[in-house]
Amino acid sequence: GENVEQHPSTLSVQEGDSAVIKCTYSDSASNYFPWYKQELGKRPQLIIDIRSNVGEKKDQRIAVTLNKTAKHFSLHITETQPEDSAVYFCAAVRRALTFGSGTRLQVQP
Amino acid sequence: DGGITQSPKYLFRKEGQNVTLSCEQNLNHDAMYWYRQDPGQGLRLIYYSQIVNDFQKGDIAEGYSVSREKKESFPLTVTSAQKNPTAFYLCASRGTQAGGETQYFGPGTRLLVL
Repeated sequence: GENVEQHPSTLSVQEGDSAVIKCTYSDSASNYFPWYKQELGKRPQLIIDIRSNVGEKKDQRIAVTLNKTAKHFSLHITETQPEDSAVYFCAAVRRALTFGSGTRLQVQP
Repeated sequence: DGGITQSPKYLFRKEGQNVTLSCEQNLNHDAMYWYRQDPGQGLRLIYYSQIVNDFQKGDIAEGYSVSREKKESFPLTVTSAQKNPTAFYLCASRGTQAGGETQYFGPGTRLLVL
C-alpha cells in the first residue's frame, strides 16, 4: 500500500518568516495530494490540494509543489502568523487518504 | 465539514464492552471513511466504504466492524477484541463525481476506556 513520509516533525519559525514542510510518497498511482491543518482537539481542515497533472498551486500565503518523478510534494507558507501555529498533515490519495505523520508548526510572535 | 456529524463527542467504554460510534452525512457523498488518531500521531485508516452495502478494511481494521446500510450513515463498532481503543475517531466522506477527491471530516469522537 501507500506510504507517506513527512518532515520535519516539528518546526519553529519567527513571525513573518517562511515555513516549508516536505512529504514523499511511495505509490506512483496516487493522483491527489491534499494538505490539512489540525488545531488541538479539532478535526483536520483542508487548506490546499494539488492533483497529479499540476506542478504547483498557490492560494494567498500558501503554496504546494509536486514532483511526480521524484514522488515528493511540499507545502510552503510565507509571511507566517501566530494563527498558523497548528499540526499540518500531508496525504496521498489513491482510494483513501494515507496521511503523513504530521508537522507541528510553531510561529513565534 | 458542516454536513458530517458524529456522536457522541465523548464515549466511555468498559472492559469487554462493544460500543458504536455514529457518523451521518447529508452531502450525498458515496464514499465514507473511518480514521483513528492517537495523541500526537497522524490518522490511520480503519475502514472505508465507496458505495452502499460495500466496505473495505483499511490498515488497522482488527477489533473494529462497520456497516453501510444507508448512503448517509456509516457507523463504527469498537469491539471487545480491540484491546487499546483509547483514541480520537474521525469520520470522513467524499463525493465520487469528477474532481470530487476532497474528503471532509466530521468533528470526531473521543473514546476513553474506564
